[in-house]
Amino acid sequence: QVKLLQSGAELVKPGASVKLSCKTSGFTFSTSYMSWLKQVPGPSIEWIGWIYAGDGGTNYNQKFKGKATLTVDKSSSTAYMDLSSLTSEDAAVYFCARGGWELDYWGQGVMVTVSS
Amino acid sequence: DVVLTQTPPTLSATIGQSVSISCRSSQSLLDSDGDTYLNWLLQRPGQSPQLLIYSVSNLESGVPNRFSGSGSETDFTLKISGVEAEDLGVYYCMQATHAPLTFGSGTKLEIK
Repeated sequence: QVKLLQSGAELVKPGASVKLSCKTSGFTFSTSYMSWLKQVPGPSIEWIGWIYAGDGGTNYNQKFKGKATLTVDKSSSTAYMDLSSLTSEDAAVYFCARGGWELDYWGQGVMVTVSS
Repeated sequence: DVVLTQTPPTLSATIGQSVSISCRSSQSLLDSDGDTYLNWLLQRPGQSPQLLIYSVSNLESGVPNRFSGSGSETDFTLKISGVEAEDLGVYYCMQATHAPLTFGSGTKLEIK
């Protein structure tokens, strides 16, 4: 069955970067879109962007351009998101999800804490 | 960005009761391709969101048929016909017609 397994919780210092991973199985990764989303207590969900695993093409929410970089490794069916220059406003739970708009399967989420 | 306004913000229901959640969009969600990219998701406590309905009224595989969606253009509704205990959580509408993809602020369903 379809599985999206995200890496563990991260504690990062302000100004640092972090790379989150989303290892997938149970579907054809190489022809799939993978999305990333941010959830802060509120609750509120924001779409960060998607990447097409076939050719690495990306589509970002303008708000997250320069903050997030999406990549994939087709050999391991894994999607990645780099978050740079972290501030307290980047503290959140981040999800990966399959699809560009369907979002039919989600990872379990990873909490990113930004603190010195 | 498209703003999705969900009402009510909180809903309290007894088991077996039927309830509806409204989602109103600041712009028409009818795409030029003829489809309307309005989805409904449920986030149970401590879990990831789960897709319930896509393109207004299409039930995702494995989702009980007590869930139904309707609407068009800017007004959409999720109905639960006979709430069950497992339905508690936060319901979100989400649109993907206009970039960026946006979510409503959620409706929390509590079981009395």
